[in-house]
Amino acid sequence: QKEVEQNSGPLSVPEGAIASLNCTYSDRGSQSFFWYRQYSGKSPELIMFIYSNGDKEDGRFTAQLNKASQYVSLLIRDSQPSDSATYLCAVIFTGGGNKLTFGTGTQLKVEL
Amino acid sequence: DTGVSQNPRHKITKRGQNVTFRCDPISEHNRLYWYRQTLGQGPEFLTYFQNEAQLEKSRLLSDRFSAERPKGSFSTLEIQRTEQGDSAMYLCASSLATLPYQETQYFGPGTRLLVL
Repeated sequence: QKEVEQNSGPLSVPEGAIASLNCTYSDRGSQSFFWYRQYSGKSPELIMFIYSNGDKEDGRFTAQLNKASQYVSLLIRDSQPSDSATYLCAVIFTGGGNKLTFGTGTQLKVEL
Repeated sequence: DTGVSQNPRHKITKRGQNVTFRCDPISEHNRLYWYRQTLGQGPEFLTYFQNEAQLEKSRLLSDRFSAERPKGSFSTLEIQRTEQGDSAMYLCASSLATLPYQETQYFGPGTRLLVL
């Protein structure tokens, strides 16, 4: 069974620090990787997607993909209290249609 | 672009009753997905449509569940003879299929179902 693994946290970081969120996946041939943010009681909101090895930056967010090691990470620079949420990693597995397979999410708490 | 919308936002029902949820995707999107999310878990795939064709159904989707997208626009998800285990957030997402595996799915606000 194809799986996505995340540490459930909570991950606590002080305001202004860098938050690092990690995700591993089971299928080496996977193609597409996504990070969603989900506030309590709300639906997932797309933050970033990445398809190729390396880094992709968008504002304060950087996604890093290493297909050989089968992990994808999300860095949040200058963390703000409003970044406190659950961050969901999702993968489109090769041969699995186009559905997203999600991890259980990592809860991030940014403390004042 | 008004985003993905879902109705109702909340539904409380008694065990054994039937419920139906509606999803309106982003207007130009040709793919529509249904997911279910329970507390502390990530969303789990249920089914998806490309235009009006239902292309895949999860094993999670028992015969009490049925989904339609009759004209390739909005979709409905019906649960018959609800059980307490059906209590969850039901999420709809839509996307525009472009390159293989390279599509981004945008989620609606969800319908929270509570079965008493």
